[in-house]
Amino acid sequence: AQTVTQSQPEMSVQEAETVTLSCTYDTSESDYYLFWYKQPPSRQMILVIRQEAYKQQNATENRFSVNFQKAAKSFSLKISDSQLGDAAMYFCAYRSARWETSGSRLTFGEGTQLTVNP
Amino acid sequence: DAGVIQSPRHEVTEMGQEVTLRCKPISGHNSLFWYRQTMMRGLELLIYFNNNVPIDDSGMPEDRFSAKMPNASFSTLKIQPSEPRDSAVYFCASSLKQGILGNTIYFGEGSWLTVV
Repeated sequence: AQTVTQSQPEMSVQEAETVTLSCTYDTSESDYYLFWYKQPPSRQMILVIRQEAYKQQNATENRFSVNFQKAAKSFSLKISDSQLGDAAMYFCAYRSARWETSGSRLTFGEGTQLTVNP
Repeated sequence: DAGVIQSPRHEVTEMGQEVTLRCKPISGHNSLFWYRQTMMRGLELLIYFNNNVPIDDSGMPEDRFSAKMPNASFSTLKIQPSEPRDSAVYFCASSLKQGILGNTIYFGEGSWLTVV
């Protein structure tokens, strides 16, 4: 079974600075997808960024980028020029590419609560 | 395009009452998921459907919970009878199986359930 671990329950960053959230995962599969979701106080789950395991290039979405290290099974999220609106719980998630098994499910980490200080 | 639509957004009910949560997935998506989020257990997958067919319901906590997907654009999650420990945020989510955006799961805004 796949597991996802976020070792930082809480992080804080000053507005306009950069912060990196850590995520590691365990899997025996070679083909999969990784995601970061943001959950603000409204509780809505918002997709931030996704990475296909077969791609070597790290995904980027505006101020958000990832550092994907497949051999190390590491998938960190970097937020540049942090804004007050970035304050939220961030979840790392894994999804197998094998639809025929229970791989369709998302496996979530425990979450990292990010505080942005003005 | 409209996202995943859930109703009600908030519900407060008395123990023993029936609760029905509703979901409209993103048009064209062929997989639908029901998740539950609590402080104690985090995010749990309850059940998911592929092409309206339930594939894995091993996460459904007990017989009081049931889910249906009568067509590609509608699903329900029913709790009967409800108990205080069912209080949680229930998320519906959907995804495409293939394509450029395939395998990305999009979530609704959630239904906040409080059972008193």
